[in-house]
Amino acid sequence: AQTVTQSQPEMSVQEAETVTLSCTYDTSENNYYLFWYKQPPSRQMILVIRQEAYKQQNATENRFSVNFQKAAKSFSLKISDSQLGDTAMYFCAFMKHVAGNNRKLIWGLGTSLAVNP
Amino acid sequence: DTGVSQDPRHKITKRGQNVTFRCDPISEHNRLYWYRQTLGQGPEFLTYFQNEAQLEKSRLLSDRFSAERPKGSFSTLEIQRTEQGDSAMYLCASSLAEAGGLETQYFGPGTRLLVL
Repeated sequence: AQTVTQSQPEMSVQEAETVTLSCTYDTSENNYYLFWYKQPPSRQMILVIRQEAYKQQNATENRFSVNFQKAAKSFSLKISDSQLGDTAMYFCAFMKHVAGNNRKLIWGLGTSLAVNP
Repeated sequence: DTGVSQDPRHKITKRGQNVTFRCDPISEHNRLYWYRQTLGQGPEFLTYFQNEAQLEKSRLLSDRFSAERPKGSFSTLEIQRTEQGDSAMYLCASSLAEAGGLETQYFGPGTRLLVL
């Protein structure tokens, strides 16, 4: 069974600084997808960034980038130039690549990020 | 594209009552997922639909839970004889499943259930 571990329950960062959230996962699969979602207080889950395991190049989306280390089964999220609106719970999630079948997400427990002014 | 919507956003009920939640996915999406999220936890998979067919249910989904997606569009999740342990956020997500492709799930705002 797949598991996702987020070892940092809470983190804080000063506005405009850079912060890295860690995520490790356990799987015997070779093809899979990884995601970071954010869940602001009392608001819905929003996709931040996604990575296909067969791609060696790390995904980037504006101020958000990942460090994907497949051999180490690590998928960290870096947020550059942190903004107050980045304050949220961040979840790392894993999805097996199974053609035609359930693509349920397996989730970590989340990291609560506070961006301080 | 109005995104995934869920109704109601909040529900307070007494133990033993039945409740029903609705999810409207993004219109062209063929897959619909239900997750449950309790305080301090990540979401947990409950069930999913491919069009109108319910293809998998988690062991978390007891006999008191039933879900439908009658015309392959909106879905309902019903909980019968609610228990205090059912108190949670119920999340709906939809996606467009393409052969061999990356599938991204888009989430609704959730329905927060409190069972007294």
